[in-house]
Amino acid sequence: DIQMTQSPSSLSASVGDRVTITCRASQSINNYLNWYQQRPGKAPKLLIYAASSLQSGVPSRFSGSGSGTDFTLTISSLQPEDFATYYCQQTYNTPYFGQGTKLEIK
Amino acid sequence: EVQLVESGGGLVQPGGSLRLSCAASGFTFSNYWMNWVRQAPGKGLEWVANIKQDGSEKYYVDSVKGRFTISRDNAKKSLYLQMNSLRAEDTAVYYCAGQVVVSSTNWYFDLWGRGTLVTVSS
Repeated sequence: DIQMTQSPSSLSASVGDRVTITCRASQSINNYLNWYQQRPGKAPKLLIYAASSLQSGVPSRFSGSGSGTDFTLTISSLQPEDFATYYCQQTYNTPYFGQGTKLEIK
Repeated sequence: EVQLVESGGGLVQPGGSLRLSCAASGFTFSNYWMNWVRQAPGKGLEWVANIKQDGSEKYYVDSVKGRFTISRDNAKKSLYLQMNSLRAEDTAVYYCAGQVVVSSTNWYFDLWGRGTLVTVSS
């Protein structure tokens, strides 16, 4: 099974900051990776698919990059509504998620 | 309005059974792979199972194989998860999720319900 490891597990930042979250796969998954945002008490929401494609309706301050084993989700300028938990998900085979990165207000 | 609404959760004793349902509306249910994803209290997301549009293919995470069965009724626009031999570690919010498939390795979960809580405890 392909394991997905996110870092950091938690992160404190301020409104307006640029933030990067990393996801590493235990073997190459080409660009077969999605990113989701989950706000407390809510269902997850798709942000990025195929590593770098922005889902319709998602603000352009979100971007994804990477290929092979290393991927990043970047938020260019944090907004108050961005404080949430973020998950990566590999789509190479079994749709395992990373363990999540909780983004908190500093 | 596109909606997925889960139901059937509740408190069950270890070794017991529950059947979850997910009612779809506002989109062509029969065009979608469908999934169950769960989240234990304070923990991350865990994919549980999925089923092809026509029900001909089903896949499960190892920890539920032989205990859980996913099924669907396209005429009723509904997804189901039959859960048997429940364990404390199955306690979680269970979400149904619709999967958009671009290719065999390019797909994503675009539609999500609000979830239903399953608690396994004596």
